[in-house]
Amino acid sequence: DTGVSQDPRHKITKRGQNVTFRCDPISEHNRLYWYRQTLGQGPEFLTYFQNEAQLEKSRLLSDRFSAERPKGSFSTLEIQRTEQGDSAMYLCASSGSGLSKNIQYFGAGTRLSVL
Amino acid sequence: GQQLNQSPQSMFIQEGEDVSMNCTSSSIFNTWLWYKQEPGEGPVLLIALYKAGELTSNGRLTAQFGITRKDSFLNISASIPSDVGIYFCAGYTGTASKLTFGTGTRLQVTL
Repeated sequence: DTGVSQDPRHKITKRGQNVTFRCDPISEHNRLYWYRQTLGQGPEFLTYFQNEAQLEKSRLLSDRFSAERPKGSFSTLEIQRTEQGDSAMYLCASSGSGLSKNIQYFGAGTRLSVL
Repeated sequence: GQQLNQSPQSMFIQEGEDVSMNCTSSSIFNTWLWYKQEPGEGPVLLIALYKAGELTSNGRLTAQFGITRKDSFLNISASIPSDVGIYFCAGYTGTASKLTFGTGTRLQVTL
């Protein structure tokens, strides 16, 4: 499978715990994006990497959220001290460069439930 | 955050019928993308549009980039049960790297 891979697919945690999600982009893609999607809504942008550089962050990304892409390949999204409002689907997408940079391909997502 | 307005919100149609949905924005977009999402999965790209007035087809799907650059349309012809899902428009403004998504159109197909 050469698509975007996300792990885990589902995560149930208790309020106050830390969680970390992983995204493996399509191998030749240098751009990686994180989005959050709540029930009945479209995905909302969280942050964006070009190679290992984090170039843009949304105001949705509070200081409890941190994303990394240390080697410009896979990325992790960590949420510290989770709150019930963090319950959502977290989607990762990747895109290439040049003319294909506008086409974002999404993974299947990680569904987070905070109890 | 900002989201594009999609209509209708939901549609219940019979197999074989044609479907039309649209997406509007108060801002000018320079790329429009249409995705389909099924329960528990991520969005899957259907069609990409790059120029105002562009009309692009992908099988039974046809999408258009509105000439005002503030809207886009998706048509599905001769719907089948596997067309069931939520259809999202998404787009870029200016040189932004983030996609702005619509509110989604939920499509149900009955036999």
